[in-house]
Amino acid sequence: GAGVSQSPSNKVTEKGKDVELRCDPISGHTALYWYRQRLGQGLEFLIYFQGNSAPDKSGLPSDRFSAERTGESVSTLTIQRTQQEDSAVYLCASSRVGSYEQYFGPGTRLTVT
Amino acid sequence: GDSVTQMEGPVTLSEEAFLTINCTYTATGYPSLFWYVQYPGEGLQLLLKATKADDKGSNKGFEATYRKETTSFHLEKGSVQVSDSAVYFCALSDQTGANNLFFGTGTRLTVIP
Repeated sequence: GAGVSQSPSNKVTEKGKDVELRCDPISGHTALYWYRQRLGQGLEFLIYFQGNSAPDKSGLPSDRFSAERTGESVSTLTIQRTQQEDSAVYLCASSRVGSYEQYFGPGTRLTVT
Repeated sequence: GDSVTQMEGPVTLSEEAFLTINCTYTATGYPSLFWYVQYPGEGLQLLLKATKADDKGSNKGFEATYRKETTSFHLEKGSVQVSDSAVYFCALSDQTGANNLFFGTGTRLTVIP
């Protein structure tokens, strides 16, 4: 079946603008994760959704970052008032409940100028 | 907190050479351990995993053994191919139920003919 998809694949924005990044998980996967990958660094956990439970937002770096997910479907990561240090690849992953294996999307490369 | 320390790259090997990429971890409890691979232009893919001490994960000729006594999960392959050129990430799952993954910084492998 289809894998995790993300859009846009690339986004260039000016400092101070808001951006929205979208993730479509694999159908039937109840868990959804957002990660950030800065150039030359490992992946940094941002937020986790599991079904209808309250999301784990412990990885969000500031209150400029927020994410939503409707049920077990699409998720949107929003970054308000973007800063240059927000430039990174934002990765989304999904998994079945109780599974350790996460399936990753291709990512959105965000560049803040 | 939980963390992964991974051998820094880049690593350049000739085809058919032996590969080792070191990975050590710090965790409370009994994490699951993973190697993910990111081929050029593609998303992260799970390469192999081990969920308990002394387990050996293997896939595509790669192997890694979960060593609790040395808190390590080194990736090995006996004879690399050009097609193995990619970035390899070691990761652990923190077993809290959220299954958040903690990633190392990644090691870029280039295999030359």
